[in-house]
Amino acid sequence: GEQVEQRPPHLSVPEGDSAVIICTYTDSATAYFYWYKQEPGAGLQLLMSVFSNVDRKEEQGLTVLLNKKDKQLSLNLTAAHPGDSAVYFCAVRRSSNTNKVVFGTGTRLQVLP
Amino acid sequence: EAAVTQSPRNKVTVTGGNVTLSCRQTNSHNYMYWYRQDTGHGLRLIHYSYGAGNLQIGDVPDGYKATRTTQEDFFLLLELASPSQTSLYFCASSERGRGNTLYFGEGSRLIVV
Repeated sequence: GEQVEQRPPHLSVPEGDSAVIICTYTDSATAYFYWYKQEPGAGLQLLMSVFSNVDRKEEQGLTVLLNKKDKQLSLNLTAAHPGDSAVYFCAVRRSSNTNKVVFGTGTRLQVLP
Repeated sequence: EAAVTQSPRNKVTVTGGNVTLSCRQTNSHNYMYWYRQDTGHGLRLIHYSYGAGNLQIGDVPDGYKATRTTQEDFFLLLELASPSQTSLYFCASSERGRGNTLYFGEGSRLIVV
């Protein structure tokens, strides 16, 4: 079945710097891609979702890049601030005929003031 | 605003004990899921359901039963709890056709001693 590797597991950046998280998936039929954020003591909340026909999507200081050739998905937080400190998860779904979502292993991001 | 409520939020039980985790969603979503979150593994799907009376097996189902009694309620049952089931459990719901965004509860932390 689908496997998703996520790196790095931990990331510390100074405030104002960018932070990049990368996921690699295995199934070339994967069609839907998600980034979730988990704040301490809370469930996951969706940051962004992209369909496989999108290579790049930007929203509110976040950039998602999709490289289907290398089966790689990345999240770039530009000008990170302490409020961005959280655990980030990528997730993928194979196609429209399944609701099964597979998650990456998570990245704990710390933004240092 | 989507709402997924889990109970109990914290539970300690003994090995061999019987535990039921409850989840209620008020989103009118068809799909509900149970995940477990463990360091180094991210979120792993235990069971999911696309409606009352339906149950689908996830990726790590061993030792778990689940039951969807109504569209709103999804229960996870551990009939003979083991220490390996010590984890943080998340329930989520989604509506197919809207990008399958998962809406998560706040989690139930289970410790099996």
